Amino acid sequence: TQLLEQSPQFLSIQEGENLTVYCNSSSVFSSLQWYRQEPGEGPVLLVTVVTGGEVKKLKRLTFQFGDARKDSSLHITAAQPGDTGLYLCAGNTGKLIFGQGTTLQVKP
Amino acid sequence: NAGVTQTPKFQVLKTGQSMTLQCAQDMNHNSMYWYRQDPGMGLRLIYYSASEGTTDKGEVPNGYNVSRLNKREFSLRLESAAPSQTSVYFCASSESYGDSNQPQHFGDGTRLSIL
Repeated sequence: TQLLEQSPQFLSIQEGENLTVYCNSSSVFSSLQWYRQEPGEGPVLLVTVVTGGEVKKLKRLTFQFGDARKDSSLHITAAQPGDTGLYLCAGNTGKLIFGQGTTLQVKP
Repeated sequence: NAGVTQTPKFQVLKTGQSMTLQCAQDMNHNSMYWYRQDPGMGLRLIYYSASEGTTDKGEVPNGYNVSRLNKREFSLRLESAAPSQTSVYFCASSESYGDSNQPQHFGDGTRLSIL
């Protein structure tokens, strides 16, 4: 069974702080996607990383795919209350394998 | 801008009852998926349909059946509901199956409680 381990599972920080979420696996993925989910809604795609070592930026969010395409990280700079939500990584093997998710709470 | 529409949004069942969850997408996508989401376990794939006319098991298919009614609609059936099936169910669609760059588009979920 392919597994994606996400850490931390829960993060509560003050507005303005930086944070990093990690997504690790022993399996190689053809790509990795990051989704954000708000309460009562379905996940929404933030980014897809495809190439080993790839870095993508989305405003204050920086996504990196590991060189071996087994792991990824999401870094948020100067977090805002609007960043609050559940962040999910998903590895693509044809099907998507989801991590357990990281619940982020950013307090004003 | 409907995207993926799921019905119902909420449902409470008694153990042993049956029910069908409905899903429709208006994006002309070829592939559709059913997931369940439980606390601390992320999203787990129940069944998927890579294209109209095909269905395949995912990670946790036991206790469920699916029907790809046409290109737009993909339903999930619980024949005899069990408390372990209490969960939030999400339907998703994508342009094609297995394409690394394709996003999956999700509905807003069905919250199902089995008593």
